[in-house]
Amino acid sequence: DAGITQSPRHKVTETGTPVTLRCHQTENHRYMYWYRQDPGHGLRLIHYSYGVKDTDKGEVSDGYSVSRSKTEDFLLTLESATSSQTSVYFCAISALAGGSSYNEQFFGPGTRLTVL
Amino acid sequence: AQRVTQPEKLLSVFKGAPVELKCNYSYSGSPELFWYVQYSRQRLQLLLRHISRESIKGFTADLNKGETSFHLKKPFAQEEDSAMYYCALWALGSGSARQLTFGSGTQLTVLP
Repeated sequence: DAGITQSPRHKVTETGTPVTLRCHQTENHRYMYWYRQDPGHGLRLIHYSYGVKDTDKGEVSDGYSVSRSKTEDFLLTLESATSSQTSVYFCAISALAGGSSYNEQFFGPGTRLTVL
Repeated sequence: AQRVTQPEKLLSVFKGAPVELKCNYSYSGSPELFWYVQYSRQRLQLLLRHISRESIKGFTADLNKGETSFHLKKPFAQEEDSAMYYCALWALGSGSARQLTFGSGTQLTVLP
């Protein structure tokens, strides 16, 4: 497995509380992504980063914010968690993502988040 | 906007039987398509990309632009093929760069 870790691996929280998920990589890859995985929807992109302090929105970014202050860390924050954000969250990294040339995305182990 | 459709949520076949997992896409540009696989308790990993036109673990997938399809096939399924399979499209998304758009996935079970 590529050097990607996610923490925590499991979390149960209550509606309205803030939650931060961490993705850490040791590959020095430029691109990092956050996806959520839900039955019937597959994986959907939340936010991605193309460098330190450079981030952009994905398909389902509402209710989420991200930060990347170091190459190796990409944080996903739910400012005020809702039950609809109960999901499995995956981080991914890739070396290049520009133009029409695809570089493989490597996925982390996932974080299972339950919002009660 | 781009879209990837996998019509079968669940697919069961017997060991040794042929298997085909369907994938259709909608995209106005030139598509780049992939199959990802997630085995039980393992990470999501790339299985195939259409550009390479290779066979991995006996699986092949051919891009049919006329039918906008990228079906995954294997002539003789094995029990170890049981997994969740996702079709994915690499295309310009809502942001400023290309993104992977996934289908909803097909859970394949190969019965003994």
